[in-house]
Amino acid sequence: SQKIEQNSEALNIQEGKTATLTCNYTNYSPAYLQWYRQDPGRGPVFLLLIRENEKEKRKERLKVTFDTTLKQSLFHITASQPADSATYLCALGIGGSQGNLIFGKGTKLSVKP
Amino acid sequence: DGGITQSPKYLFRKEGQNVTLSCEQNLNHDAMYWYRQDPGQGLRLIYYSQIVNDFQKGDIAEGYSVSREKKESFPLTVTSAQKNPTAFYLCASSPQSGTGELFFGEGSRLTVL
Repeated sequence: SQKIEQNSEALNIQEGKTATLTCNYTNYSPAYLQWYRQDPGRGPVFLLLIRENEKEKRKERLKVTFDTTLKQSLFHITASQPADSATYLCALGIGGSQGNLIFGKGTKLSVKP
Repeated sequence: DGGITQSPKYLFRKEGQNVTLSCEQNLNHDAMYWYRQDPGQGLRLIYYSQIVNDFQKGDIAEGYSVSREKKESFPLTVTSAQKNPTAFYLCASSPQSGTGELFFGEGSRLTVL
């Protein structure tokens, strides 16, 4: 069966450390993968997109990797801050057509001062 | 400022009543979407529309209806046929020629009493 899994429901880290979130999938062949941030009671906000032919993407303190062999994406936040505390969602883009985004359940990140 | 506006933010409904959730965007995006979010689950697609006067069912369309009479508006009606309507509803849009990045509204929380 087709699945998308984010490694843990919650991740707690200390301020200043690097947070690493994992998104694994099976039986999909995504054209791209996206990461979103969602704060409680709010809509998700787009962060980064990485295509199947890209290994790594960076944006400020954020880095995303995409390994189509392992069927895995890693999302890193370096020098984490309490303001980074939120739920992070990964989403697979299937076939590149509109409407075909498969979302994971999200990982709730808590950064402690 | 450009963005997506959902209303109402909170809505209570008695069983057997239809309710309509509003979604308006001024981003000039062609595609619009409705997602449902439940605790512990990923976002699930209800309906999407790529062009005015056309829309397609998503994974969980039963008990819902939509219309797309104007480019900027995509209202969702939760009908009495939806057996478990209590949820957080998210509207999103994206440019047709884009990479699938979604711009979300702030959500509407529907509670059935």
